[in-house]
Amino acid sequence: AQTIHQWPVAEIKAVGSPLSLGCTIKGKSSPNLYWYWQATGGTLQQLFYSITVGQVESVVQLNLSASRPKDDQFILSTEKLLLSHSGFYLCAWSGGNAETLYFGSGTRLTVL
Amino acid sequence: GDSVTQTEGQVALSEEDFLTIHCNYSASGYPALFWYVQYPGEGPQFLFRASRDKEKGSSRGFEATYDKGTTSFHLRKASVQESDSAVYYCALGLNNNAGAKLTFGGGTRLTVRP
Repeated sequence: AQTIHQWPVAEIKAVGSPLSLGCTIKGKSSPNLYWYWQATGGTLQQLFYSITVGQVESVVQLNLSASRPKDDQFILSTEKLLLSHSGFYLCAWSGGNAETLYFGSGTRLTVL
Repeated sequence: GDSVTQTEGQVALSEEDFLTIHCNYSASGYPALFWYVQYPGEGPQFLFRASRDKEKGSSRGFEATYDKGTTSFHLRKASVQESDSAVYYCALGLNNNAGAKLTFGGGTRLTVRP
């Protein structure tokens, strides 16, 4: 069975500080990987997706970047956090372009 | 652009009530339609999907039928339980170029009173 692990569970960071969030998928070879963002009480917005190692496509510009250094790993980062970056970050995977997305348990980010 | 509209932002019911959450979509192609459920502090969980007109998806007593004519995928459950309290999201998926893109509705918060 496939498992998806996100880290950290929660972060409290200062405005202007750097950020790195991670996600690892086990039990699935060459998954499509995704980053979503959810404001408190809001809907889910896709940020990035990747269909292969080293290739990441941006969907929304939010002063964030993503990388896929390994087949089973997806990283979300920024060098300078903004207050507007606060929210719930979700990593997801799918088996292919037409497949269902499965989400991780998320990282709660609070920027002060 | 593609969009999903959930009419009800909040629904409050008592146990054993019948549930309907309305979902309508607008898409340029022929999308797959999904329902997800999200409990507090967790990521969304996949409930079920449908990919063709008149196809019914179901899981855990919830069901929805893909209706291309009315561009709808309404969620229904005959008898809700307190444990069904959560936020429900309708989503559409289109395969444009590479990578699947799920577009989510605004979500419907369901509260079930014991």
